[in-house]
Amino acid sequence: GESVGLHLPTLSVQEGDNSIINCAYSNSASDYFIWYKQESGKGPQFIIDIRSNMDKRQGQRVTVLLNKTVKHLSLQIAATQPGDSAVYFCAENIRGRGQFYFGTGTSLTVIP
Amino acid sequence: EAQVTQNPRYLITVTGKKLTVTCSQNMNHEYMSWYRQDPGLGLRQIYYSMNVEVTDKGDVPEGYKVSRKEKRNFPLILESPSPNQTSLYFCASSAFRSYEQYFGPGTRLTVT
Repeated sequence: GESVGLHLPTLSVQEGDNSIINCAYSNSASDYFIWYKQESGKGPQFIIDIRSNMDKRQGQRVTVLLNKTVKHLSLQIAATQPGDSAVYFCAENIRGRGQFYFGTGTSLTVIP
Repeated sequence: EAQVTQNPRYLITVTGKKLTVTCSQNMNHEYMSWYRQDPGLGLRQIYYSMNVEVTDKGDVPEGYKVSRKEKRNFPLILESPSPNQTSLYFCASSAFRSYEQYFGPGTRLTVT
């Protein structure tokens, strides 16, 4: 199967600081990458996606960066809030195919 | 309210006793998928369906069956459950060519 992994399993940040969550992928054929947030006891929730022909995409307080050379993507959360505490997953997909490969997740804890 | 529903939410069963976990979505989505979530392994895809009567294997299909007779429903069937299928299961759906999957609340299955 595909290998989508995260550099750090846990991350703690002070409220108001910026957070950076990293993800490595192995399939150079993947052309869509997606970030999900999973709060305790709930299903994952879509945050943002990025196509392989882009290097950067911004959403509300979030930015995803994609470096295809080293097969790495990151999720940056600006001004982290307590409500951002959750597990964050990256996922990859090959366009037109229904298979998705998820990473193992990073647990983000925001310290008030 | 747009949502994906799963039933039951919790289930404890014994080895070999056939069971079905139902999944239904009210968003008229073409794509539906089943995942299992295990500690340290993230989300792994079991089966997916691009549309009615079209299903395909994901990364871990062994021991599972699915069907897609109607657009809104995508049941997961375990013909002969085994303890290694103890897990948290999520159903998800998305519109055609969208990477924004909507996840259900999860079904926690324990097989003894």
